[in-house]
Amino acid sequence: AQTVTQSQPEMSVQEAETVTLSCTYDTSESNYYLFWYKQPPSRQMILVIRQEAYKQQNATENRFSVNFQKAAKSFSLKISDSQLGDTAMYFCAYSGGSNYKLTFGKGTLLTVNP
Amino acid sequence: NAGVTQTPKFQVLKTGQSMTLQCAQDMNHEYMSWYRQDPGMGLRLIHYSVGAGITDQGEVPNGYNVSRSTTEDFPLRLLSAAPSQTSVYFCASSLSITNTGELFFGEGSRLTVL
Repeated sequence: AQTVTQSQPEMSVQEAETVTLSCTYDTSESNYYLFWYKQPPSRQMILVIRQEAYKQQNATENRFSVNFQKAAKSFSLKISDSQLGDTAMYFCAYSGGSNYKLTFGKGTLLTVNP
Repeated sequence: NAGVTQTPKFQVLKTGQSMTLQCAQDMNHEYMSWYRQDPGMGLRLIHYSVGAGITDQGEVPNGYNVSRSTTEDFPLRLLSAAPSQTSVYFCASSLSITNTGELFFGEGSRLTVL
């Protein structure tokens, strides 16, 4: 079974600084998709960024970018110029093969301090 | 555009009672799913559906039933509530049945079983 591991239960960063959230996964599939979702205190889950495994180029969305290392099965999220509104729980997620199931990690609680 | 609508947002039950969490989406999505979120556990898949009349079990299906009579609706039924079912429940839908696309989430339903 696929597993997703987020080894940092909590992190904090100062406003305007850069922070990296770690995620590793285990799979035997060759083609799959990886996601980072954000859950602010409002509880609403929001897609931050998406990476297709067959694409070598790392995905980027404004201040959010990923470092996708396929051989190492690593998928970290970098947040540049952190803002107070980035304070949230961040979940890494995996979807692969013919499986319709999206598997989530346990989450990393990020706090951005003024 | 309402997106994914869940009701109720909060519910308190006594052990042994039954209830239904409602989920509706207006985006003509084929894929719908239910997750539960517990502290330190991330999101775990309960049941999912890839179209009207088709449902399947996720990671933690015991104690829950689902049906999908229309594309729009995907209710989650608790037949005999237990304290272990105290959780926050999320309904999510996607245009892609292969789960390669973005999942759109409802706002969540907090259920407490006494």
